[in-house]
Amino acid sequence: GIQVEQSPPDLILQEGANSTLRCNFSDSVNNLQWFHQNPWGQLINLFYIPSGTKQNGRLSATTVATERYSLLYISSSQTTDSGVYFCALAYSGAGSYQLTFGKGTKLSVIP
Amino acid sequence: EPEVTQTPSHQVTQMGQEVILRCVPISNHLYFYWYRQILGQKVEFLVSFYNNEISEKSEIFDDQFSVERPDGSNFTLKIRSTKLEDSAMYFCASTPQGHTEAFFGQGTRLTVV
Repeated sequence: GIQVEQSPPDLILQEGANSTLRCNFSDSVNNLQWFHQNPWGQLINLFYIPSGTKQNGRLSATTVATERYSLLYISSSQTTDSGVYFCALAYSGAGSYQLTFGKGTKLSVIP
Repeated sequence: EPEVTQTPSHQVTQMGQEVILRCVPISNHLYFYWYRQILGQKVEFLVSFYNNEISEKSEIFDDQFSVERPDGSNFTLKIRSTKLEDSAMYFCASTPQGHTEAFFGQGTRLTVV
């Protein structure tokens, strides 16, 4: 199956700092999403981004499908940004739409 | 804003008991999914459902598990005889026609004791 690798696995930031989270994948995809899992376990949709660049407030994401990676940028981080960030994607080759998740990046923002 | 809703939010059950987890997908979505996340691990696909039948399932989704869309709004996951290792957060998700963005419910935390 498709391989999804996220880096770094853990990240500690001072409030106000910027960060970049990376997602590498092994095959062509027809869906790529970024999620934030909050401390209560909920998966919050951040971006649907199989290709291109999108921005939403302090967050932005870029997927370069031909080079098989996606980046999530968090600017001016806040303590409420803490949690686990997951990249999830669906492999286009098998005509399958199930999402394969990476192991996540655990972000801790300290005041 | 439309959302996927799941009930209950928490369930504790004794080993060997049957549990039913319930989900109401977004109303105009056509594809429905169950995923699970064992504590501290990544989210794993269980099963997808379209047009009243299973379209894909993972190795995890064995004969203990079943899914059903009993009416026009609900989507359920049944675990027939729970085991300790079934303890996990279970997520329901749905996608619209065209298989674009998947939306997840808030999850049901199942604890088997």
